[in-house]
Amino acid sequence: DIQMTQSPSSLSASVGDRVTITCRASQSISNYLNWYQQKPGKAPNLLIYTASSLQSGVPSRFSGSGSGTDFTLTISSLQPEDFATYYCQQRYSTPETFGPGTKVEIK
Amino acid sequence: EVQLVQSGAEVKKPGESLRISCKGSGYSFYTYWISWVRQMPGKGLEWMGSIDPSDSYTNYSPSFQGHVIISTDKSISTAYLQWSSLKASDSAMYYCARRASDSTGYPFDYWGQGTLVTVSS
Repeated sequence: DIQMTQSPSSLSASVGDRVTITCRASQSISNYLNWYQQKPGKAPNLLIYTASSLQSGVPSRFSGSGSGTDFTLTISSLQPEDFATYYCQQRYSTPETFGPGTKVEIK
Repeated sequence: EVQLVQSGAEVKKPGESLRISCKGSGYSFYTYWISWVRQMPGKGLEWMGSIDPSDSYTNYSPSFQGHVIISTDKSISTAYLQWSSLKASDSAMYYCARRASDSTGYPFDYWGQGTLVTVSS
């Protein structure tokens, strides 16, 4: 199985901050990496697919980059509604696997 | 509007059977795969398996193979996740999610609201 790690596991930030979350795969996954946002008590929501494509309806302050084993999710200017947990997911091989999540909290 | 609506919360005893459902609407149900994802309390997301509603082809994560069954009834646009003998460790939130294909790369673009399963004696 491909193992996914994320860093940091949690972070505190203020509204307006630039936030970067890193996801690393245990082997190359090309660009088959997706990012999801999950708010407490809610289902996950797709933000970015194939590493850098913005899902329809997702604000442009979200962006993704990377290929191979190293990926990043960037929020250019953190908004109050962005406080949530973020998960990466590899879709390169079965079983598909998620990262452990990064919780973004209010400073 | 695309929607996946899941059945309600369940409370069961160890050893009991259970089937939960996920009904799709607002799109052609048989043209999109449905997957099930587990989230244990306070934990992350785990892919359990997927089904192609057009022909009921399934694939499972090795972690869940043999413990759950994924099925579908395309006549009523509904996918199912079932257990024949629940364990306390099956207590979790279960989500269904849609994707366009099981080919490499395709993400989950719509999710159900989740079904909370509690297994306790």
